[in-house]
Amino acid sequence: QKEVEQDPGPLSVPEGAIVSLNCTYSNSAFQYFMWYRQYSRKGPELLMYTYSSGNKEDGRFTAQVDKSSKYISLFIRDSQPSDSATYLCAMKGDTGFQKLVFGTGTRLLVSP
Amino acid sequence: DSGVTQTPKHLITATGQRVTLRCSPRSGDLSVYWYQQSLDQGLQFLIQYYNGEERAKGNILERFSAQQFPDLHSELNLSSLELGDSALYFCASSAYVVGGLNTEAFFGQGTRLTVV
Repeated sequence: QKEVEQDPGPLSVPEGAIVSLNCTYSNSAFQYFMWYRQYSRKGPELLMYTYSSGNKEDGRFTAQVDKSSKYISLFIRDSQPSDSATYLCAMKGDTGFQKLVFGTGTRLLVSP
Repeated sequence: DSGVTQTPKHLITATGQRVTLRCSPRSGDLSVYWYQQSLDQGLQFLIQYYNGEERAKGNILERFSAQQFPDLHSELNLSSLELGDSALYFCASSAYVVGGLNTEAFFGQGTRLTVV
């Protein structure tokens, strides 16, 4: 079993839709949770960064962490064609030097 | 622009050869990570350095090695290259401080390695 599971998609939605992207994980030591956006083999771009459980909002993006369920989500409101990309979740623990573990990414396609 | 610089952007080389990929972290970041991303694969962690010292190791092949220099830039050396080593290699940096809070990692634009 992988430490982080993420549906590869693709997820196709019309412009303006609310998008929900999710990851599950197995390591209860994970405390830091991140979402990255990656356009066609470019470098991953950090979108959201949260510590422990709770919600965080930044513009059209909302990140949720439910540590009891080992489940994290990224919501995108009013999705735009420019949001079409691969979204990667990533997480790490907070003791010592912990590697950042990534999901395989979900490909999102937003059609005009 | 994340502030992390990787060179070269593209590299084409033959099997059996050796190459060096270079990464300059964001100003002030002491921690550098290397990741490999093969076609249709996720980001695979290779190795992490903090202030010149190796701190964490992933599934890095023995043919691969890395180091971080006193000026904090890092190099990833890949030797005896095989066709299967063709991939995107990303470097990331973060401001992690021992005993302090973890911070987010920022990625460079990657080096696309093609082994022919």
